[in-house]
Parts: sequence; structure tokens; C-alpha cells
Amino acid sequence: NAGVTQTPKFRVLKTGQSMTLLCAQDMNHEYMYWYRQDPGMGLRLIHYSVGEGTTAKGEVPDGYNVSRLKKQNFLLGLESAAPSQTSVYFCASSYYRTGPTEQYFGPGTRLTVT
Amino acid sequence: AQSVSQHNHHVILSEAASLELGCNYSYGGTVNLFWYVQYPGQHLQLLLKYFSGDPLVKGIKGFEAEFIKSKFSFNLRKPSVQWSDTAEYFCAVKKTGANNLFFGTGTRLTVIP
Repeated sequence: NAGVTQTPKFRVLKTGQSMTLLCAQDMNHEYMYWYRQDPGMGLRLIHYSVGEGTTAKGEVPDGYNVSRLKKQNFLLGLESAAPSQTSVYFCASSYYRTGPTEQYFGPGTRLTVT
Repeated sequence: AQSVSQHNHHVILSEAASLELGCNYSYGGTVNLFWYVQYPGQHLQLLLKYFSGDPLVKGIKGFEAEFIKSKFSFNLRKPSVQWSDTAEYFCAVKKTGANNLFFGTGTRLTVIP
């Protein structure tokens, strides 16, 4: 099993450009998450999904959109990138057993917005 | 709002020294607790977790953590660190029934050979 994979690994955008980050998991997990990691701030939840076709806002959702059209994929979109969105983005997934359990993380995407 | 506090931002130890990293949370209900480790340039990996039962939890690589409910704490310990333990360590808390984790800001551990 590949676990949780993310593409791309690195990206540089100019302010105002758009892009989509792809997360895929092959563990048949119900739950998927997008986090951003910034120095001194730990990981903050952007959006999450509890199943195919459903999404919900996390702690810092502004400026991002997500979609979960297939159970194994969770897309994170930036419609108009801003320098404040320079960060490392991590996707995670977890299975359900009377509630979500521990999360498995992908390798991350380092995004720089100039 | 729920918060997770890791008071040690950067810890520097010599090899074979003992380690204790603090984690405190502010939520008063039932929680699930986790410690994750992030080695340089890598993604987060689960070290150990507490859901219920014995409050002393053993994880991988010789790490353990103790849940003290009265102190809202889940401190991570290792009796003898190695150079390979150099990494960033994150405590995370999930309220029972909630869908997401709340992470602390992380503690960077540097182990000097």
C-alpha cells in the first residue's frame, strides 16, 4: 500500500494564480483532512471530509475550497493565491470505528506564493 | 475553544539523556490523545495514542506517555534518547465524537551525539 500520497511535492505560484493539490489514499478510509503547517503554529485544519461527497470547514478555511468526488481522493483548491498561503500542506486520512481514529499523513506539499 | 499547549519549543539533549516533553490540553470532556513525530523533511508519523484504559501508553522506538486526567496532561517520555530521535514532536487531542484533531505547536528536539 502506498498509504497517503500528495501531488505535487513543491509548487511556486504568483499572487492571484490558482492551483489544486491532490491527495489520494489507498486504505479505504472514510475521513480525509487538509492541514497547513506554519513555523511555530503547528498544524491547523483547513477542511475535512467525513465521506464521499461531503466536506466541512476546519479552523482556517478562508481562501481554500475542497472536493471529495471519490472516496480515495480529496482535492484542495486555491482560487486566488496570496503570499499568506505560503506554507506546507499536509493531507491525512483516518478510518471510522465509532468515530474517526488516528490519522495517517501524506508527505506534504511545499507551496510558495510570491 | 479547545487548545493544546506544548510549553517546550526547543529541547537540546545529549545522547543517553532522559526526555520528557510536556503536553496540556484545555478540554474537560473525554478525549483521545496522540503524539506524532516529524523527522527532518518527512511527514508526521504516529508515535503513540491513548483512547482508554491504562493511562501509561507505550509507543514505538521506546517512547511512552502518561495520561493524567486531573492535570489535563499527556507528557511524552523516553529514558535514553538517541541522535536519531532528533525531530519535531507534536501532541494532538481529539474530543470524543469530534471529527478532527487539535495540534500543539510542536517541540523541536535536538540530540547531540
